[in-house]
Amino acid sequence: GNSVTQMEGPVTLSEEAFLTINCTYTATGYPSLFWYVQYPGEGLQLLLKATKADDKGSNKGFEATYRKETTSFHLEKGSVQVSDSAVYFCALSDRMEYGNKLVFGAGTILRVKS
Amino acid sequence: KAGVTQTPRYLIKTRGQQVTLSCSPISGHRSVSWYQQTPGQGLQFLFEYFSETQRNKGNFPGRFSGRQFSNSRSEMNVSTLELGDSALYLCASSYGTGGQETQYFGPGTRLLVL
Repeated sequence: GNSVTQMEGPVTLSEEAFLTINCTYTATGYPSLFWYVQYPGEGLQLLLKATKADDKGSNKGFEATYRKETTSFHLEKGSVQVSDSAVYFCALSDRMEYGNKLVFGAGTILRVKS
Repeated sequence: KAGVTQTPRYLIKTRGQQVTLSCSPISGHRSVSWYQQTPGQGLQFLFEYFSETQRNKGNFPGRFSGRQFSNSRSEMNVSTLELGDSALYLCASSYGTGGQETQYFGPGTRLLVL
């Protein structure tokens, strides 16, 4: 079945460092791809999405490009802040008999130190 | 627009009891999905409802059930609780169910089974 693989964490960075969180997927067809973020004690918030190959999703300084040739959707940010500390989930939209479900990676913990 | 709301936020139950969780989707959204989040298994799809019909179900035992009302509000029920049911239960809503649709998550209900 379809699946998502994320780099293991935790990732620990100093403030203003460059961030990359790797995400690769296995899927039939061309699913939509998402990054969600989860802050402590909260649910998931959509960070960005891309619905077709070569699309770039961006939000709050985060970016990710849908790469069909490498089946990847890596998350990047040029300068992280302490407030970016959270768990980041990569996900794909998996077609079912009716509608879709989200298939998530294991999540990557990001810790940003001041 | 108000976001997805879930009640209660926290629950403590004992083994063998049953529990009902509630989810109110974003106004106008017709699809409601439920996910279970645990440290060991990560985020897993439970089921999805659209127009009061369960259309998709994940790989969970029959003790997990749900329903959707005419106003799109949804409830999920877990009967004969087991220790392993301790988890964060997340509800997500979307307008439709196409592959490009974004699912918006609520804050979750944290269930502890003793």
